[in-house]
Amino acid sequence: DAKTTQPPSMDCAEGRAANLPCNHSTISGNEYVYWYRQIHSQGPQYIIHGLKNNETNEMASLIITEDRKSSTLILPHATLRDTAVYYCIVKWREGSNYKLTFGKGTLLTVNP
Amino acid sequence: GAVVSQHPSWVICKSGTSVKIECRSLDFQATTMFWYRQFPKQSLMLMATSNEGSKATYEQGVEKDKFLINHASLTLSTLTVTSAHPEDSSFYICSARNPGTDNEKLFFGSGTQLSVL
Repeated sequence: DAKTTQPPSMDCAEGRAANLPCNHSTISGNEYVYWYRQIHSQGPQYIIHGLKNNETNEMASLIITEDRKSSTLILPHATLRDTAVYYCIVKWREGSNYKLTFGKGTLLTVNP
Repeated sequence: GAVVSQHPSWVICKSGTSVKIECRSLDFQATTMFWYRQFPKQSLMLMATSNEGSKATYEQGVEKDKFLINHASLTLSTLTVTSAHPEDSSFYICSARNPGTDNEKLFFGSGTQLSVL
């Protein structure tokens, strides 16, 4: 699996956009970029994933660079409830067989 | 999205006893479930992949005789920590993938905090 690099922590003001970067310079052509988050003492929550194109859903947007070596997760209007550890993961998908390996993630703290 | 239920949420046990943790997929059938362990202020570590109707696949360094996994049905996987010791105290999390429309996502249970005295 390609390794990812994320800043250990970030701060964001409530109501502002939170932009969380992730480097995955060794990503291969078949590997997807996944983002999950974990609020303290809970199971991880799926946010979004993508391969090449930028993606948007009700929770966030995922911007993947053209060379796919990095990506940014954007929370458009951060709230206090968005304080969590955010994990960027890359994973090769082979049919129905794959597993996710978590790195250290970024602790995002949303401040009032 | 799909729902994965994990029970119990927390358990305290005496050293030497065994503890069983259940993981259920509530609205879908999961042929594969995953078990993770998380120590305080650390990331999730994959312990094993649970396959319905067959033996689990354990990650390197995980003792299969200590962490017994049973996946007897398409909606239930169990993790039994046998002869638990204080160093087994951790947050255990299961996950499953809905092979239907949510095939690309893993859904996680809420986790089980195990404390061994």
